[in-house]
Amino acid sequence: GENVEQHPSTLSVQEGDSAVIKCTYSDSASNYFPWYKQELGKRPQLIIDIRSNVGEKKDQRIAVTLNKTAKHFSLHITETQPEDSAVYFCAAMNFGNEKLTFGTGTRLTIIP
Amino acid sequence: DTEVTQTPKHLVMGMTNKKSLKCEQHMGHRAMYWYKQKAKKPPELMFVYSYEKLSINESVPSRFSPECPNSSLLNLHLHALQPEDSALYLCASSQGPGLLDTQYFGPGTRLTVL
Repeated sequence: GENVEQHPSTLSVQEGDSAVIKCTYSDSASNYFPWYKQELGKRPQLIIDIRSNVGEKKDQRIAVTLNKTAKHFSLHITETQPEDSAVYFCAAMNFGNEKLTFGTGTRLTIIP
Repeated sequence: DTEVTQTPKHLVMGMTNKKSLKCEQHMGHRAMYWYKQKAKKPPELMFVYSYEKLSINESVPSRFSPECPNSSLLNLHLHALQPEDSALYLCASSQGPGLLDTQYFGPGTRLTVL
């Protein structure tokens, strides 16, 4: 089955600086890679996703890059703000097998 | 509207109780999921219903019993739980297998087993 590793487990960034979270996956058949943000006591919320036919996707301050050959993908948050503080989970899935495998999570803290 | 609702928000139960968790979505999605999330851990998949049929059962103990009465509703029946079953139980839905499988999560039910 799929295995997703995520690093770092904790990340502290000065407000206004950039944050990068990296994930690697094991199953070369995986073709869908979402990122979820989870604030304390709340639901995981999709913030961005990428499919394997695309190398990069950007949405305002958030971007995701995918390297299929190396089987890794990364989340980039620029101009960080205090409200970006949360736990971020990457995940991988093969369309059609319905099982989303999550990384272990990164606790991001933005220091004002 | 990407809304998945869950009731109750909080549930405290004893080990001999029987209770049910409910999930509802009105997005026309055909796949629904139950996840269990312990503190500081990622969600763990428990069950998947696809077109109202159980398609994945991740070797979950029989004290958890899922039910999908129709395409909009998903229940999780609980019986004779253990204290280690205390967790956040998340429901999610997606359009269906092979179809833009973005999963949208409900707010969860925080379960405490005494």
